[in-house]
Amino acid sequence: NAGVTQTPKFQVLKTGQSMTLQCAQDMNHEYMSWYRQDPGMGLRLIHYSVGAGITDQGEVPNGYNVSRSTTEDFPLRLLSAAPSQTSVYFCASSDPRQGLANTEAFFGQGTRLTVV
Amino acid sequence: QQPVQSPQAVILREGEDAVINCSSSKALYSVHWYRQKHGEAPIFLMILLKGGEQKGHDKISASFNEKKQQSSLYLTASQLSYSGTYFCGTEMTTDSWGKLQFGAGTQVVVTP
Repeated sequence: NAGVTQTPKFQVLKTGQSMTLQCAQDMNHEYMSWYRQDPGMGLRLIHYSVGAGITDQGEVPNGYNVSRSTTEDFPLRLLSAAPSQTSVYFCASSDPRQGLANTEAFFGQGTRLTVV
Repeated sequence: QQPVQSPQAVILREGEDAVINCSSSKALYSVHWYRQKHGEAPIFLMILLKGGEQKGHDKISASFNEKKQQSSLYLTASQLSYSGTYFCGTEMTTDSWGKLQFGAGTQVVVTP
């Protein structure tokens, strides 16, 4: 099992450019989330999904879009990159409906994004 | 509402103990604990549910005071490998499964 795979690991964008951060998991988890991590602020939830076709906003959704067409994939799209979106992005998956054993969130290795 | 962690940082010598606290102003359904080493993804340590269920790694212990909406993570007989930043994540209800709200983190440094 690969777990949660994020690509790319590093990315530099110019202000105004768009891009998609990829996230895939092979654990058949229904729940997937995107977080951003900024120094001193912990992880903040951007968007999450409880299954294919179902997404909802988290704490900091502005400037980001998501879709969930399959159980495995949950891409995050930056529509028009801004310097304030410079951050480390983590994707996570879990499935608490499968019982306590699956409530832990498995995180990808992160994407370090710089917007100049 | 983000949970509040304390302390912000702690320095330990190998073998010493420490406690990290996580408090919420709202009623909680669950508290998760994760450790993150520099440049790496957070790794699951423990989950504690309202009602007493918990699951975690053998060498980690934690408690959840439902009356105070506070959880504590106990680092006992610390080892060098315990160094990292510890985060608590909370869920308010089963409707918010997967929507973890994380604290700002507690940086732990264990020295020889």
